[in-house]
Amino acid sequence: DGGITQSPKYLFRKEGQNVTLSCEQNLNHDAMYWYRQDPGQGLRLIYYSQIVNDFQKGDIAEGYSVSREKKESFPLTVTSAQKNPTAFYLCASSMTGEGEQFFGPGTRLTVL
Amino acid sequence: QQQVKQSPQSLIVQKGGISIINCAYENTAFDYFPWYQQFPGKGPALLIAIRPDVSEKKEGRFTISFNKSAKQFSLHIMDSQPGDSATYFCAAAIPMDTGRRALTFGSGTRLQVQP
Repeated sequence: DGGITQSPKYLFRKEGQNVTLSCEQNLNHDAMYWYRQDPGQGLRLIYYSQIVNDFQKGDIAEGYSVSREKKESFPLTVTSAQKNPTAFYLCASSMTGEGEQFFGPGTRLTVL
Repeated sequence: QQQVKQSPQSLIVQKGGISIINCAYENTAFDYFPWYQQFPGKGPALLIAIRPDVSEKKEGRFTISFNKSAKQFSLHIMDSQPGDSATYFCAAAIPMDTGRRALTFGSGTRLQVQP
């Protein structure tokens, strides 16, 4: 089955800890994205990558970091510098230049 | 200029009724308008999309109406069913210098269809 997988589904973090969220896709898409979703709000772009070993900041990149060492993988690290990290995190992918993005099932991060 | 304004925030419709969700934009450079459906705890899934060269697109019970001059587009769900209860997001895509298409999302509409 082609698609996007995210893990874990639920993640709990103590204040001051860094955590890494996994995103893998087997759609052969060039572009990958990370969004944050808060209750009652739309999706806000954290980081995106159009090609391996290259990524760009989105609208709310502060406190987050990413890497793109393989085409299939785009992990997101939520650092201790992110002041309000509790949210639902969504990974997406698309062919470069296409407006249609395919989303993974999401990871719900809770800071205790 | 990059905003997409979506209304209403929430909507309750009786089974068999018509659900209507509206979106408005300012930037005329947007060239692709998808709608996403999201069930609780899941990622959004593409429902239907339209390009600005057509005024309407229909797929089953779902129709997008597009008014280019008013810079508005709307989603109509005919014969709404309890299984349609979800959050719906409109979005607009704009081509960037880097070759990618950036998506801007509306704030979402929570639809509840009562049996």
